[in-house]
Amino acid sequence: KAGVTQTPRYLIKTRGQQVTLSCSPISGHRSVSWYQQTPGQGLQFLFEYFSETQRNKGNFPGRFSGRQFSNSRSEMNVSTLELGDSALYLCASSSRGDENSPLHFGNGTRLTVT
Amino acid sequence: GQSLEQPSEVTAVEGAIVQINCTYQTSGFYGLSWYQQHDGGAPTFLSYNALDGLEETGRFSSFLSRSDSYGYLLLQELQMKDSASYFCAVGVGGYNKLIFGAGTRLAVHP
Repeated sequence: KAGVTQTPRYLIKTRGQQVTLSCSPISGHRSVSWYQQTPGQGLQFLFEYFSETQRNKGNFPGRFSGRQFSNSRSEMNVSTLELGDSALYLCASSSRGDENSPLHFGNGTRLTVT
Repeated sequence: GQSLEQPSEVTAVEGAIVQINCTYQTSGFYGLSWYQQHDGGAPTFLSYNALDGLEETGRFSSFLSRSDSYGYLLLQELQMKDSASYFCAVGVGGYNKLIFGAGTRLAVHP
């Protein structure tokens, strides 16, 4: 079974631009979560989607948004990029999206904002 | 605030046993998980404790004491490939919202 696939692997953007990251979950997994990983703040929860509905959201500004499609694929968008948005963005899928379902992470998209 | 505390670095030799502790202070608790992340790789799930006690999976065991807000990951028969960062994480608010610790970097030496 294929794992979680994130595209692109690397991105370089300029301040003020916007970016869209894509995530394809493991087949059959309906929950997709997004995390930001930085050396200073570690892994931080962005949001979680299940059956196209956002069920939970972290403490990030409204510039960070996401969506999930009917095939469970998900995208996250960051608008008006800031230098501090440089990070590894990780997508994770799970079968049920509850506390008993482990997260399966993708290899991430490394975003650099210049 | 919500916080998880774990040591930043641990060093051990091959074949040894190492314990990585994690204490947490969170609003809401939906279990304690452990993830492993090699440099440049994705975090991978190791274990999950919802109830007090010890869970064993091969060379790895994880323990939870909810009354002490404390858990640990025990790695036995260490191998070089175990050199990685280990994160404890607490589920808060359900729906895969996890608060992660800052990670413990384990270095295994011959």
